[in-house]
Amino acid sequence: GEDVEQSLFLSVREGDSSVINCTYTDSSSTYLYWYKQEPGAGLQLLTYIFSNMDMKQDQRLTVLLNKKDKHLSLRIADTQTGDSAIYFCAEIETGANNLFFGTGTRLTVIP
Amino acid sequence: DTEVTQTPKHLVMGMTNKKSLKCEQHMGHRAMYWYKQKAKKPPELMFVYSYEKLSINESVPSRFSPECPNSSLLNLHLHALQPEDSALYLCASSQVTGGGQPQHFGDGTRLSIL
Repeated sequence: GEDVEQSLFLSVREGDSSVINCTYTDSSSTYLYWYKQEPGAGLQLLTYIFSNMDMKQDQRLTVLLNKKDKHLSLRIADTQTGDSAIYFCAEIETGANNLFFGTGTRLTVIP
Repeated sequence: DTEVTQTPKHLVMGMTNKKSLKCEQHMGHRAMYWYKQKAKKPPELMFVYSYEKLSINESVPSRFSPECPNSSLLNLHLHALQPEDSALYLCASSQVTGGGQPQHFGDGTRLSIL
């Protein structure tokens, strides 16, 4: 669970959709989380998915999971300037305690 | 608004000082965590407490000493820190340990060592 990778930067125009990608390594039962971190703040839990699911939708957020490729994505519909932040994906095996984070993707929303 | 409260928000201390970071949650969670986050890096786990007992210490130097006085409180006692210990220290809690219970984070204490 220690190789969680993300692209470092993403820029989108206000109103467009944002897609933030993440790859992970664990093949056993795993929970996958998305957190948002604004400047000077802690981590805000956005959503999470278990590795036996394909998709989860929560208002403007859609999580897609490709188990074969171990690829996770977070889609933000109608992106707003308040969505500008760093987004971390993280994985943890069932029963484990250590949440392994990706490097984080800095999302910049252009007005 | 976070339901995990950390104090102080900022702390500047010299290398010979002794100080404590505090974390509080009233969600009835029985697992609490300390993470360290350096600038432009993801958080790294330091300690895990489960039912007020230390269950994980990720090879953290002894100059960091955690304490869990009760199920709502988690402290991190600091002594003789080094400049490289300057970072954002994040506290988190979850219902219990184990991956299926999401961890909720506080806003952190930004620590600067002179």
